[in-house]
Amino acid sequence: EAEVAQSPRYKITEKSQAVAFWCDPISGHATLYWYRQILGQGPELLVQFQDESVVDDSQLPKDRFSAERLKGVDSTLKIQPAELGDSAMYLCASSLEGLGNNEQFFGPGTRLTVL
Amino acid sequence: DQQVKQNSPSLSVQEGRISILNCDYTNSMFDYFLWYKKYPAEGPTFLISISSIKDKNEDGRFTVFLNKSAKHLSLHIVPSQPGDSAVYFCAASVNNNDMRFGAGTRLTVKP
Repeated sequence: EAEVAQSPRYKITEKSQAVAFWCDPISGHATLYWYRQILGQGPELLVQFQDESVVDDSQLPKDRFSAERLKGVDSTLKIQPAELGDSAMYLCASSLEGLGNNEQFFGPGTRLTVL
Repeated sequence: DQQVKQNSPSLSVQEGRISILNCDYTNSMFDYFLWYKKYPAEGPTFLISISSIKDKNEDGRFTVFLNKSAKHLSLHIVPSQPGDSAVYFCAASVNNNDMRFGAGTRLTVKP
């Protein structure tokens, strides 16, 4: 069964360092999402891609976060510099299309701890 | 701005009984509602959904009810099984964009 792949699964870093997370969506899925889930809360959308284009990054803290999906397939989310409050689970999801009612498939997530 | 709320952080039921998980929302523009299930160390997995043009959708042991006038939806699991023990997230979107999630309800089904 096709799955969304994410790496690393766990990342520990010190504040002010740079971190990067990678996501490979299900083959053929045009829409890719990055979410942040803080402990005890639901996932919060950070950025949504349609192919290689950003369609929604209104919740992305652009002073320190960046995301790219250069070839419209896999994607990288970067944080520079990391802050203590960035400790969270970062989830990637993909769906066939961003319009209409399409189920989002989630990867296992990357758990980030900032010390 | 929490547009989707799950006010019960946890729920415990006996195996074989009905589990009812509740969700409230504030944005009347939401037109699609979903329930996701999450096991530890895994990402959320889609469980069941409902369009705003319907008030009920059933899939096996899982039924979702939507009450638009009350801005409320619920997930019924019957009969509940120990394998249903997980965190359940309610989510809502407008045309599948900007999906908003609730904080989740941890369901424990006791044998």
